[in-house]
Amino acid sequence: ETGVTQSPTHLIKTRGQQVTLRCSSQSGHNTVSWYQQALGQGPQFIFQYYREEENGRGNFPPRFSGLQFPNYSSELNVNALELDDSALYLCASSPGGRGQRDTEAFFGQGTRLTVV
Amino acid sequence: GQQLNQSPQSMFIQEGEDVSMNCTSSSIFNTWLWYKQDPGEGPVLLIALYKAGELTSNGRLTAQFGITRKDSFLNISASIPSDVGIYFCAGLDPGTYKYIFGTGTRLKVLA
Repeated sequence: ETGVTQSPTHLIKTRGQQVTLRCSSQSGHNTVSWYQQALGQGPQFIFQYYREEENGRGNFPPRFSGLQFPNYSSELNVNALELDDSALYLCASSPGGRGQRDTEAFFGQGTRLTVV
Repeated sequence: GQQLNQSPQSMFIQEGEDVSMNCTSSSIFNTWLWYKQDPGEGPVLLIALYKAGELTSNGRLTAQFGITRKDSFLNISASIPSDVGIYFCAGLDPGTYKYIFGTGTRLKVLA
């Protein structure tokens, strides 16, 4: 049990629609990262938020956007869904301090998104 | 996207056997993490490594941070059925502070 919770757990959307996924980070963690995991692959970094500001982005198009709120929970928004967006979306929280252990990432259970 | 190379890709072993897997990169990392992922679940952190040459244990698991900082190894001793799952390594890119994940090693334990 990592204390990171994601909702919903499963979602089916139609191509072209928009989706919002949510993540509550572990208590005391101010950094949230989002990853996309396609079937049979390792997680791919989408972006990271630190204290409500984007703090790094992977190779994902602008239709992938996010937010972090004052309580450090976060949202991932995907516009104009494509079939290839079908994947497990994982949220990870980290303490975000300056110590070595502050970069350790703890994952939620993920949201399984299916685009049809 | 960028991924680290893990080997083996998959392995079947007998219960009680020891298991070794490794992860290699063309880039240097400052931190290596090892995760286990069960079907339909998020990855669970097993071991974190912070210094080249470091050897760290967590129960039956032992991991090492390679001297070159471009590789890491995970060993599982005396495997049991619940060790079944996919094991991922992840390296922390020092420039972007994002984790780069390996391709995964799928472990199956035969009772």
